[in-house]
Amino acid sequence: EPEVTQTPSHQVTQMGQEVILRCVPISNHLYFYWYRQILGQKVEFLVSFYNNEISEKSEIFDDQFSVERPDGSNFTLKIRSTKLEDSAMYFCASTDSQSYGYTFGSGTRLTVV
Amino acid sequence: AQSVTQLGSHVSVSEGALVLLRCNYSSSVPPYLFWYVQYPNQGLQLLLKYTSAATLVKGINGFEAEFKKSETSFHLTKPSAHMSDAAEYFCAVSVMGSARQLTFGSGTQLTVLP
Repeated sequence: EPEVTQTPSHQVTQMGQEVILRCVPISNHLYFYWYRQILGQKVEFLVSFYNNEISEKSEIFDDQFSVERPDGSNFTLKIRSTKLEDSAMYFCASTDSQSYGYTFGSGTRLTVV
Repeated sequence: AQSVTQLGSHVSVSEGALVLLRCNYSSSVPPYLFWYVQYPNQGLQLLLKYTSAATLVKGINGFEAEFKKSETSFHLTKPSAHMSDAAEYFCAVSVMGSARQLTFGSGTQLTVLP
């Protein structure tokens, strides 16, 4: 079964550093998403991406965040200057145009120290 | 805007007993509804989804959910709990639109007692 692949699985970074989280969505999917889950809390929507542009973003997704699809396969989330409160599990997801068949990656656990 | 409320942050059942996890939604347009399961330190796995076809939806691992528009509910059930069902369960809603993002509930931690 096709999978969404996220790398790295764990990342520790110092406050103020830039991090890039990487995702390879399912190849024929058209909608791409980033969600985050702070430890013990619910999963929160960050941003959606369709047709090479952001289609919607949440209040969490401020100027410190950016997304990119640099080639035909990767989808990245960049945090420019990490803060302690950015520590969370970040999930990438993708879906096709018809079935609402969201598939989530296994996540990247980001720890900011 | 859509939202989801999961009643009960923790539910405990005995092995072999009925599992009932409650989810109510709010949406101004017909929703698509989902249940996801999350095992410790793992990602989100889709259990089942409702996308305006049959109101009773069967999913993996013996779970099912019924869409009740009049009650704005989408409760998750399983006739007989197994120890391996212990996990966190999230209800989520989406609506048709350009972004189609999921809005998640706060989650219900299911404990299965021997």
